[in-house]
Amino acid sequence: GENVEQHPSTLSVQEGDSAVIKCTYSDSASNYFPWYKQELGKRPQLIIDIRSNVGEKKDQRIAVTLNKTAKHFSLHITETQPEDSAVYFCAARRYSSASKIIFGSGTRLSIRP
Amino acid sequence: GAVVSQHPSWVICKSGTSVKIECRSLDFQATTMFWYRQFPKQSLMLMATSNEGSKATYEQGVEKDKFLINHASLTLSTLTVTSAHPEDSSFYICSALNPGAGDTQYFGPGTRLTVL
Repeated sequence: GENVEQHPSTLSVQEGDSAVIKCTYSDSASNYFPWYKQELGKRPQLIIDIRSNVGEKKDQRIAVTLNKTAKHFSLHITETQPEDSAVYFCAARRYSSASKIIFGSGTRLSIRP
Repeated sequence: GAVVSQHPSWVICKSGTSVKIECRSLDFQATTMFWYRQFPKQSLMLMATSNEGSKATYEQGVEKDKFLINHASLTLSTLTVTSAHPEDSSFYICSALNPGAGDTQYFGPGTRLTVL
């Protein structure tokens, strides 16, 4: 089955700097890669996703890149702000509406003022 | 946007009792819902896939007789933790697929279960 590895487990950056979180996956059939942000005690919120026919996607300060050959994808947050502090999860899924999403282990991002 | 609710948001129960958690899609019909469990400072672990009108598909290591799932309608799935024990204390989160929104999963707010 699919296995998603994520690192680092914790990340602390100065406000205004960039943060990068990296993930690798094992199932070459996976072709949908969402990223979630979870604040303490709350539900995961989808912040961006990418499909395998695209190498990069950007939404304001957030961007995701995908390298299908190497089976890794990354989340980039630029100009970080205090409200970016949260736990971020990458995930992978085969493109099927009934397929399960497999989550990475999570990255706790802290933004230093 | 699509909304998924869960009830209750938190519950405390005695060891040996059963607890039912409801997951509802409020503005769309969901043929597929998922149930996750999340321990403190850990990731979401998929427990089972709930399919409307058929039996749930459980992940390896999840006891189907302990975690009963019923997806009786297109807007409701329930998870019943039977004979709960302290080690079942966790944050339980459901998600639902909105067929009208491609392959996006919408998560419920979660239910915090504490077993004394």
